[in-house]
Amino acid sequence: DQQVKQNSPSLSVQEGRISILNCDYTNSMFDYFLWYKKYPAEGPTFLISISSIKDKNEDGRFTVFLNKSAKHLSLHIVPSQPGDSAVYFCAASGETGGFKTIFGAGTRLFVKA
Amino acid sequence: DADVTQTPRNRITKTGKRIMLECSQTKGHDRMYWYRQDPGLGLRLIYYSFDVKDINKGEISDGYSVSRQAQAKFSLSLESAIPNQTALYFCATSDFTQTQYFGPGTRLLVL
Repeated sequence: DQQVKQNSPSLSVQEGRISILNCDYTNSMFDYFLWYKKYPAEGPTFLISISSIKDKNEDGRFTVFLNKSAKHLSLHIVPSQPGDSAVYFCAASGETGGFKTIFGAGTRLFVKA
Repeated sequence: DADVTQTPRNRITKTGKRIMLECSQTKGHDRMYWYRQDPGLGLRLIYYSFDVKDINKGEISDGYSVSRQAQAKFSLSLESAIPNQTALYFCATSDFTQTQYFGPGTRLLVL
């Protein structure tokens, strides 16, 4: 039973356009959400996070939106750059889970020059 | 130097062998984690430790054991390796926040 779902295994976007990566979760007790980026042969690296008390968090070209009623979050990358090509993992955690972090399966983003 | 290091980076072993994967960190974090990554399944938690005297099972602990030798060291053992333990293994650390810092991974192949 996947508590965090990334339903798109891959996404292809033209350089300069917006990339939108989506994530759904099932456990309403999650209260903190994170996005990690992973390049081949490297470990995941933290990208951006959002607490459940917010509905938007922005860091440069990256914005995460949280819709608690829909149990949905999305990562927007504007403008997309070829160096953004990587696998993006959505993750969620909460106090009731002992603060364990549950990861989605990942979405591979291709940004075409 | 990397903050979180894993050894070995690649390992090939045979069914039934015992192997150990090691993780060291210089971030001074109390919390350490072991995950495995399989295609289409993302990162799944094997074991985690919130301090030296604390060890907890994750989602998929069967067939694995861990040892927290010091704040900076957390090792993962496969007692008797089997082919479906072929995967990419990641160690991670965190402080009291929920942001984790990952090592570069160990690619394990069990024949």
